[in-house]
Amino acid sequence: AQSVAQPEDQVNVAEGNPLTVKCTYSVSGNPYLFWYVQYPNRGLQFLLKYITGDNLVKGSYGFEAEFNKSQTSFHLKKPSALVSDSALYFCAVRDPLSGTYKYIFGTGTRLKVLA
Amino acid sequence: DGGITQSPKYLFRKEGQNVTLSCEQNLNHDAMYWYRQDPGQGLRLIYYSQIVNDFQKGDIAEGYSVSREKKESFPLTVTSAQKNPTAFYLCASNDDPGQGYNEQFFGPGTRLTVL
Repeated sequence: AQSVAQPEDQVNVAEGNPLTVKCTYSVSGNPYLFWYVQYPNRGLQFLLKYITGDNLVKGSYGFEAEFNKSQTSFHLKKPSALVSDSALYFCAVRDPLSGTYKYIFGTGTRLKVLA
Repeated sequence: DGGITQSPKYLFRKEGQNVTLSCEQNLNHDAMYWYRQDPGQGLRLIYYSQIVNDFQKGDIAEGYSVSREKKESFPLTVTSAQKNPTAFYLCASNDDPGQGYNEQFFGPGTRLTVL
């Protein structure tokens, strides 16, 4: 069965410091992986995705993520955090071999960037 | 200006009432989805539709119903059978659902409160 885990409910980081939001997954085949961001009382916005190829993918607003197949992880990173990055972040996975059209979402990680 | 619209933004329901949440997209996407978001639980799939006049139950379909009579519209009805409907409801869409590597586009959400 497909699953996604975001082990940290909240991550605090000082402005200007690098940030990492963790995501691990479990699928039977090669996964499609996504990161989304949600600001209060808003819908989710797409940040980046990994489908195939280079393990380091770059996305919107200076975010990037590294796909690690051996560790089944897809951690979101940014070299220098901004206060405006404070939001709720969701990792999602799609297993192309699952036979369904479902995307599985993690429980979310709240990022707080402190000035 | 392409996107997904959801209405109303806030909805209040009395016990025993059915209510319908609207979702409209002008992105010409085939697939549409309804998610429920509760604090600490991430997004849970209620229903999804890959094509007009076809839809499938997600993980928490009990107490909900949908229709897909037009490509651009995917309304969700929360029936009186849904015992705990207070939540934030998100509609999403994407194209090429069979491939699975396309990100979803989300609407701004409807917050439903039972009085």
